[in-house]
Amino acid sequence: AQTVTQSQPEMSVQEAETVTLSCTYDTSESDYYLFWYKQPPSRQMILVIRQEAYKQQNATENRFSVNFQKAAKSFSLKISDSQLGDAAMYFCAYGLGGTYKYIFGTGTRLKVLA
Amino acid sequence: SAVISQKPSRDICQRGTSLTIQCQVDSQVTMMFWYRQQPGQSLTLIATANQGSEATYESGFVIDKFPISRPNLTFSTLTVSNMSPEDSSIYLCSVPQGLNTEAFFGQGTRLTVV
Repeated sequence: AQTVTQSQPEMSVQEAETVTLSCTYDTSESDYYLFWYKQPPSRQMILVIRQEAYKQQNATENRFSVNFQKAAKSFSLKISDSQLGDAAMYFCAYGLGGTYKYIFGTGTRLKVLA
Repeated sequence: SAVISQKPSRDICQRGTSLTIQCQVDSQVTMMFWYRQQPGQSLTLIATANQGSEATYESGFVIDKFPISRPNLTFSTLTVSNMSPEDSSIYLCSVPQGLNTEAFFGQGTRLTVV
């Protein structure tokens, strides 16, 4: 069975600094996708970034980038130039190709300090 | 991206009663998913709502407790039956978007059972 592990319950970062959130997963499948979702207090789940397992290149979306280490089954999120609006719960998620059903990690609460 | 509306946004219910949560999407989608997020926990998939057939439930979730309807390609309901305080959670619906296993989420329904 697939699992997703986030070992950091809470992280803090100074505004304008860089922070990295960790995620590891376990799967025996070859066709899968990995995601980082942000959940602010409004409860809305917002997709931050997506990585296809078949792609070697790490995904980047503006200030957000990932370090995808397929052999190590590691998928970390780097947030550069952190902003107060980045404060939220961040969930790492695994999706088996073509299913749209996700397995989520337990989340990391990110605090951004002014 | 799909626009997903969930109703109610929040509710406080008496134990032993039932609550029906609605999920409306602004475009036709083949599959809709229902997730539960217990307090301080991650998201767990309850079931897949299939149009024209019965919902498919994940391990640990049963139809008698969480009946689901899917009358058309833009709408689904999830009922939480015979509620107990352990059912206090955020319930979210989700729909697929695009070809890369990406999903969008509604804003969630915060249920408190007293």
